[in-house]
Amino acid sequence: SAVISQKPSRDICQRGTSLTIQCQVDSQVTMMFWYRQQPGQSLTLIATANQGSEATYESGFVIDKFPISRPNLTFSTLTVSNMSPEDSSIYLCSAGTSSYEQYFGPGTRLTVT
Amino acid sequence: QQQVKQSPQSLIVQKGGISIINCAYENTAFDYFPWYQQFPGKGPALLIAIRPDVSEKKEGRFTISFNKSAKQFSLHIMDSQPGDSATYFCAAHTGRRALTFGSGTRLQVQP
Repeated sequence: SAVISQKPSRDICQRGTSLTIQCQVDSQVTMMFWYRQQPGQSLTLIATANQGSEATYESGFVIDKFPISRPNLTFSTLTVSNMSPEDSSIYLCSAGTSSYEQYFGPGTRLTVT
Repeated sequence: QQQVKQSPQSLIVQKGGISIINCAYENTAFDYFPWYQQFPGKGPALLIAIRPDVSEKKEGRFTISFNKSAKQFSLHIMDSQPGDSATYFCAAHTGRRALTFGSGTRLQVQP
């Protein structure tokens, strides 16, 4: 299994600013993903974080709004740029190994005012 | 988008009873079907998972039943306890790709 930590755990941000969320895994993993979850809702995939290359974004999510980095096999960041109240959500990092299992971090609860 | 349909949306079970949550998928390329348990304020935790070449998998009080021909799978929680009260998500994926999640089931186990 993999243990995943995220920073910050929560934040309250002003409209128009940006926030970078960090995801650290305790072991080298093959796959890393970023999801968004509205309270009481299911998880929506934002993008696949590719090590050493540009992330692969899902429909409705763009790099200018959600730039992602993954410099190595254990670390990734997601930035939420030019935030609006609609970006208020829980952002979750997940990581997977070649054995198919995927594990989630505790999430970052973002409120935009 | 590839979908996984989950039901019921919410479920109330008495302590000691059996909780059953159902999911159905469309994409026959899916080859891994996990269930996640999520408590309020926490990230989803991998509970149990199954591959399509197996019809049933049991881990403690949790059992997955899988029907490949019907493209359906379900989670059974035996002897349900108040501590099982959480939101449960079924999911599916293929290869080294992200999970496709069901809509979630909020389970409440009454003492």
